[in-house]
Amino acid sequence: AQKVTQAQTEISVVEKEDVTLDCVYETRDTTYYLFWYKQPPSGELVFLIRRNSFDEQNEISGRYSWNFQKSTSSFNFTITASQVVDSAVYFCALSEAFKETSGSRLTFGEGTQLTVNP
Amino acid sequence: NAGVTQTPKFQVLKTGQSMTLQCAQDMNHEYMSWYRQDPGMGLRLIHYSVGAGITDQGEVPNGYNVSRSTTEDFPLRLLSAAPSQTSVYFCASSYADSLAKNIQYFGAGTRLSVL
Repeated sequence: AQKVTQAQTEISVVEKEDVTLDCVYETRDTTYYLFWYKQPPSGELVFLIRRNSFDEQNEISGRYSWNFQKSTSSFNFTITASQVVDSAVYFCALSEAFKETSGSRLTFGEGTQLTVNP
Repeated sequence: NAGVTQTPKFQVLKTGQSMTLQCAQDMNHEYMSWYRQDPGMGLRLIHYSVGAGITDQGEVPNGYNVSRSTTEDFPLRLLSAAPSQTSVYFCASSYADSLAKNIQYFGAGTRLSVL
């Protein structure tokens, strides 16, 4: 069975601080995909990034960066110079490779509530 | 630029009532799914569909029914609402592609309260 653990339930920082959100996953599949979604106070779920299990390159997109390490089964997310607008719940999710009969279901972590204070 | 559309946004039901949550997507996605979000539990899969006419159960299917008569629509039916079904419901869709296109896009959610 797949499992995603986000050990940090809540994080509170002051604007301009860097913050890292942790994500640890479990899967028996050799092919899988990892995702981060953002849920702002308005409630919608916004896709941020997807990585596949064959690509361990870290990625940077503006103030966001992701560190994928298969050796530790982790896919951590860092926000540099945080802003108030970054305040949201962030979800890490794991998907198995697509199958004709079962599609590609997402297993979510419990989410981390990030509050960025001015 | 509609994407995934869910209706209604809010709903209050009495125990025992039935209702249908609507979900429509205009991206010609084969794969659609329903999740529920409860405090401290992330999102859990209720039902999913890999194409028109094909549906299957997810992690928490009890008390819910689905059908997929068209590619665009994937309604979720509550047969006899219970207070335990108070939750926020999200519909999602994606291409059925194991390579570049399995990103699931979510609707805005339906907040349901069962009294």
